[in-house]
Amino acid sequence: DAGVIQSPRHEVTEMGQEVTLRCKPISGHNSLFWYRQTMMRGLELLIYFNNNVPIDDSGMPEDRFSAKMPNASFSTLKIQPSEPRDSAVYFCASSRSRGGARSYNEQFFGPGTRLTVL
Amino acid sequence: KQEVTQIPAALSVPEGENLVLNCSFTDSAIYNLQWFRQDPGKGLTSLLLIQSSQREQTSGRLNASLDKSSGRSTLYIAASQPGDSATYLCAVRQESGGSNYKLTFGKGTLLTVNP
Repeated sequence: DAGVIQSPRHEVTEMGQEVTLRCKPISGHNSLFWYRQTMMRGLELLIYFNNNVPIDDSGMPEDRFSAKMPNASFSTLKIQPSEPRDSAVYFCASSRSRGGARSYNEQFFGPGTRLTVL
Repeated sequence: KQEVTQIPAALSVPEGENLVLNCSFTDSAIYNLQWFRQDPGKGLTSLLLIQSSQREQTSGRLNASLDKSSGRSTLYIAASQPGDSATYLCAVRQESGGSNYKLTFGKGTLLTVNP
């Protein structure tokens, strides 16, 4: 298995531009997570999908951030318009859950996208 | 709100030394605890996962222990090697409530093993 795949690996953009980050979860995994990592705040969960449905988006910073999961093998995280404070590493992770409170298995992380907004 | 703290923030040791990394959490109602390794510019690699009912897990030179009631976990690395140099993160999953899918991470310990 190729693991979780993210693209691009690095993105440099100017303030005000739209940024789209992409993620392909591990085949057979039905839970997908987007995280953001900064020196100040560490790793924070932005949004969680289960079976392609957004379950918890309480970590999304503001309306400039949006995420979609049109099918089981693809998800996007979009920032529009981008701001310098969005500069961070964005990780996608996936896991297999079978439903119920005790079914969440370990999460597997992608290599991340390092975003720099100038 | 769950808070996870890792001490020390950074650690430098000579090759061959045994070492312990610490993780503490404020809410003991956890489902499991996971230790990750993060190399510079890379993603997170899962090292060990301890269920709340377990006391420890071992993988090779790594041993992770969990004391749920006191809110503590340790990661023991035996006979450290330069290749062990990385940032080590611990994360807990809550037992209760509707957000038991959520991992709360510590900020990590940056380990440097000097040859």
